[in-house]
Amino acid sequence: KQEVTQIPAALSVPEGENLVLNCSFTDSAIYNLQWFRQDPGKGLTSLLLIQSSQREQTSGRLNASLDKSSGRSTLYIAASQPGDSATYLCAVWWDAGNMLTFGGGTRLMVKP
Amino acid sequence: DAGVIQSPRHEVTEMGQEVTLRCKPISGHDYLFWYRQTMMRGLELLIYFNNNVPIDDSGMPEDRFSAKMPNASFSTLKIQPSEPRDSAVYFCVSSLGTAYNEQFFGPGTRLTVL
Repeated sequence: KQEVTQIPAALSVPEGENLVLNCSFTDSAIYNLQWFRQDPGKGLTSLLLIQSSQREQTSGRLNASLDKSSGRSTLYIAASQPGDSATYLCAVWWDAGNMLTFGGGTRLMVKP
Repeated sequence: DAGVIQSPRHEVTEMGQEVTLRCKPISGHDYLFWYRQTMMRGLELLIYFNNNVPIDDSGMPEDRFSAKMPNASFSTLKIQPSEPRDSAVYFCVSSLGTAYNEQFFGPGTRLTVL
């Protein structure tokens, strides 16, 4: 079964810390992987999309990496700020799939 | 562009009632998806359309659920009759070009069935 897993489910860090969020997937035959941010009571906002041929994508303080062979992606957040507090979800389009499969998310709290 | 628009934002209804959720995708986007989010099951794809045509509805849980897209700027998700286990946040999402492209989420409709 094709699954996407995010560990830990929750993370609390002090402001200013660099942090890494993890995403693992069971099948390396992916088309692309997306990282989303969800604020409480809101929809999801796309942060970064990595095609299967790419190794990483960067946007501001965010950097997402992709290692298909090991079935892993990481989202690196530099110099975290309280405004980064949200739930971060990764999602995978499988090569043979017809839908985006989401992980359960990591709820991040950045303390001032 | 105003983004994906969903209405209503909140809906509270009683078991057995019909519920209709509405969505206006981003203009020019030719893919539209309906997702459901619950604490227990996370985000699940219910159905998606390409150029107003349903492509995959395998995620629709039961015959009580139906979705339509009569034109490129409007879609509905209907639940009839509603049940308490349908309580969730329903998201409408659109994307441009292919289903694989960046997905733009609407704000969601929070449905509570009593």
